[in-house]
Amino acid sequence: DVKVTQSSRYLVKRTGEKVFLECVQDMDHENMFWYRQDPGLGLRLIYFSYDVKMKEKGDIPEGYSVSREKKERFSLILESASTNQTSMYLCASSLYIPTSLWELFFGEGSRLTVL
Amino acid sequence: QKEVEQNSGPLSVPEGAIASLNCTYSDRGSQSFFWYRQYSGKSPELIMFIYSNGDKEDGRFTAQLNKASQYVSLLIRDSQPSDSATYLCAVNIGDTNAGKSTFGDGTTLTVKP
Repeated sequence: DVKVTQSSRYLVKRTGEKVFLECVQDMDHENMFWYRQDPGLGLRLIYFSYDVKMKEKGDIPEGYSVSREKKERFSLILESASTNQTSMYLCASSLYIPTSLWELFFGEGSRLTVL
Repeated sequence: QKEVEQNSGPLSVPEGAIASLNCTYSDRGSQSFFWYRQYSGKSPELIMFIYSNGDKEDGRFTAQLNKASQYVSLLIRDSQPSDSATYLCAVNIGDTNAGKSTFGDGTTLTVKP
């Protein structure tokens, strides 16, 4: 079975703290993504990666950075957390498969609250 | 204009009815289209994808694509209470951004017994 694991389901941090969100996939997928999901705003892409050490900005990269040192692991970093980064963060991976094209496989999500 | 727009919800239908979910997109270079279902408190999961004009059927679900009108829809026949969820439309532009999906805001469907 496909598995995308996010290390923390719930986090509470204070403004200004550095926050690491970890994501690991066991499917040997080349592509990995970080989205945030907010009520009324849907899923918005923060960063994505097509290969190890490769990253590209998504639609809302400000205030975030990422790291992909190994193929299976993609980390999202909030250098200095702010209250407007309170959100649900979803990690996903994908690989081209003829039967489902670029299906995204999501982790369970990490709900971050910044106080 | 948002890149991907879905009909505003919430949508409520009685059990056994047809639920119709709609999505429009702005980029004419869009090549593949996905419908994800997200239950409350859970992650999205793929239920349908389509890339050719016309209809694609899978059980009670039918995806419809009209590239000329930049419109994609999802029909759920014989709706069941278990279909109650938020449905997300996602669009991929093409090989240059392979795998990168842009999502709509989602439409929340409630099927009443």
